[in-house]
Amino acid sequence: DTAVSQTPKYLVTQMGNDKSIKCEQNLGHDTMYWYKQDSKKFLKIMFSYNNKELIINETVPNRFSPKSPDKAHLNLHINSLELGDSAVYFCASSQNPSGSSGNTIYFGEGSWLTVV
Amino acid sequence: AQSVTQLDSQVPVFEEAPVELRCNYSSSVSVYLFWYVQYPNQGLQLLLKYLSGSTLVKGINGFEAEFNKSQTSFHLRKPSVHISDTAEYFCAVTNNNAGNMLTFGGGTRLMVKP
Repeated sequence: DTAVSQTPKYLVTQMGNDKSIKCEQNLGHDTMYWYKQDSKKFLKIMFSYNNKELIINETVPNRFSPKSPDKAHLNLHINSLELGDSAVYFCASSQNPSGSSGNTIYFGEGSWLTVV
Repeated sequence: AQSVTQLDSQVPVFEEAPVELRCNYSSSVSVYLFWYVQYPNQGLQLLLKYLSGSTLVKGINGFEAEFNKSQTSFHLRKPSVHISDTAEYFCAVTNNNAGNMLTFGGGTRLMVKP
């Protein structure tokens, strides 16, 4: 059983399109995240939700909109895709916020987005 | 504010040799420290973490790391590497004031050669 699963794993799309990446965790965690890994492997947090409420929203264009229908799901919707959006997007979860007692963050396998 | 610096972007090493991947952090408060491994085309997997207590932390796959508060370091070591250890390794830091923020270093690519 995959603890944090995200789909699709690979996505190639044209500039200007709108796309979504879905994420589900079966760990019973309260906190979910989206991280972006750029071409230089640098990882940066985009969003964090705790019990379906937005906790962190880093400097991310408002073309990116997370949606959490329940605490087991955190989907990422991207409007008007640009070339610079090409990256690997990781969904993740933890029992509570990671900064609370150092809870481990569990990552999904990643979604490789290529905008052409 | 907190930050992490991984001093080496690439570390080539021969199989069965020892290796150390360096990590230094910056934080004004007590920290929690993590090492994650990313195999090619895969997600991140936790190797080990330091929360408190003993400064020597043992993880999976024979890795260990030592927390050194005076040097603000958390270097990762393995006494004898295998080809299968070839991967990207990330050091990360958080603290009780950081909420959900886990800050990653830039990663170190470990390349094990036969």
